[in-house]
Amino acid sequence: SQTIHQWPATLVQPVGSPLSLECTVEGTSNPNLYWYRQAAGRGLQLLFYSVGIGQISSEVPQNLSASRPQDRQFILSSKKLLLSDSGFYLCAWSTTSTDTQYFGPGTRLTVL
Amino acid sequence: AQSVSQHNHHVILSEAASLELGCNYSYGGTVNLFWYVQYPGQHLQLLLKYFSGDPLVKGIKGFEAEFIKSKFSFNLRKPSVQWSDTAEYFCAVNAPWGNNRLAFGKGNQVVVIP
Repeated sequence: SQTIHQWPATLVQPVGSPLSLECTVEGTSNPNLYWYRQAAGRGLQLLFYSVGIGQISSEVPQNLSASRPQDRQFILSSKKLLLSDSGFYLCAWSTTSTDTQYFGPGTRLTVL
Repeated sequence: AQSVSQHNHHVILSEAASLELGCNYSYGGTVNLFWYVQYPGQHLQLLLKYFSGDPLVKGIKGFEAEFIKSKFSFNLRKPSVQWSDTAEYFCAVNAPWGNNRLAFGKGNQVVVIP
């Protein structure tokens, strides 16, 4: 069966520091991968998605970037965190762009 | 702009009461529809989905949803809730607008009082 992992589970970082959040998927090949940010009362906002290695589409201009160095690995990064980057970040995968998306446990990021 | 609307963000009800959460979307073509649930401290997980066929879809834990194309709606229902149904519920729509990306509503925070 397929599983999706995210780490770390929680992270507290100072403003201006770099960020690297990792997401890996097991049990499937060539998945579509997604990064979302979830804010209370505002639902899920799609940040990036990827249909293959090295292929990244950005949904919202921001302080963040994403990379997909391997087929089942998706990384969310920032060179310098802002206070507004605080939030709950979710990674998801699907077999195709129209199929069900399956979500990881998420990373709670607090920027101080 | 294309969007997914969920009303009544906070819902409080007693056990055994009936629950209905509304979901409306603003796209006139073919869509795939989902309801996700996030229990306290747990992953976001799929509750049910509609791709085609019978517009009345049954999901896990006694939930069902009805797709009404003419009303652009996909409302979620459960006849008798339990305390364990306390969770946040998200409607999501996948449509050809913007390359088939999944658009989420803002969610309904449901609290069931024992």
